[in-house]
Amino acid sequence: GDSVTQMEGPVTLSEEAFLTINCTYTATGYPSLFWYVQYPGEGLQLLLKATKADDKGSNKGFEATYRKETTSFHLEKGSVQVSDSAVYFCAPSFQDGQNFVFGPGTRLSVLP
Amino acid sequence: GAGVSQSPRYKVAKRGQDVALRCDPISGHVSLFWYQQALGQGPEFLTYFQNEAQLDKSGLPSDRFFAERPEGSVSTLKIQRTQQEDSAVYLCASSLDVIGSYEQYFGPGTRLTVT
Repeated sequence: GDSVTQMEGPVTLSEEAFLTINCTYTATGYPSLFWYVQYPGEGLQLLLKATKADDKGSNKGFEATYRKETTSFHLEKGSVQVSDSAVYFCAPSFQDGQNFVFGPGTRLSVLP
Repeated sequence: GAGVSQSPRYKVAKRGQDVALRCDPISGHVSLFWYQQALGQGPEFLTYFQNEAQLDKSGLPSDRFFAERPEGSVSTLKIQRTQQEDSAVYLCASSLDVIGSYEQYFGPGTRLTVT
């Protein structure tokens, strides 16, 4: 069935380090792909999305590219900040109506 | 404008009690979703509505869970005879449509603790 696999955390980085959080999915079709972020004490909010192959979503310095050939949507940021400390969720939305399937989340801690 | 709101934010229930959790979606959003998020896990889908119609309830864990959205706006998730394993954060989200490319907007959640 349709599923998502996300890099396990926690991830601890120093400020200005490079970040990659891996996400791969298994699907019979072509889902839309989302990254959601949950800051401490706050609700889930959309970080970025891509709806078709080779699309790149970007926001707040984060980027992710929809790679159909590798069924991946890895999240990257060139220089993380302390304020990026949060839990990040990869969430494909499968077009057969199953809605979002969230990954387990990756907790990121950025140290000054 | 106002986002998705949920009430109460925190609920403590004794085992066996019934609880009702409320969700006010963004005005005009057609679709409404309920998720259950256990500690340290990602949200898991429970059910969704398109307007007042409950189109998928496959994620509801047992017949003790019931959701409604009678007028296509506010929704209530009811849990009867609560059990300890029901302890979790219950998230509500709304969307302009159910089609996959539309963003879901999440409320802050209701943290339910069953003692």
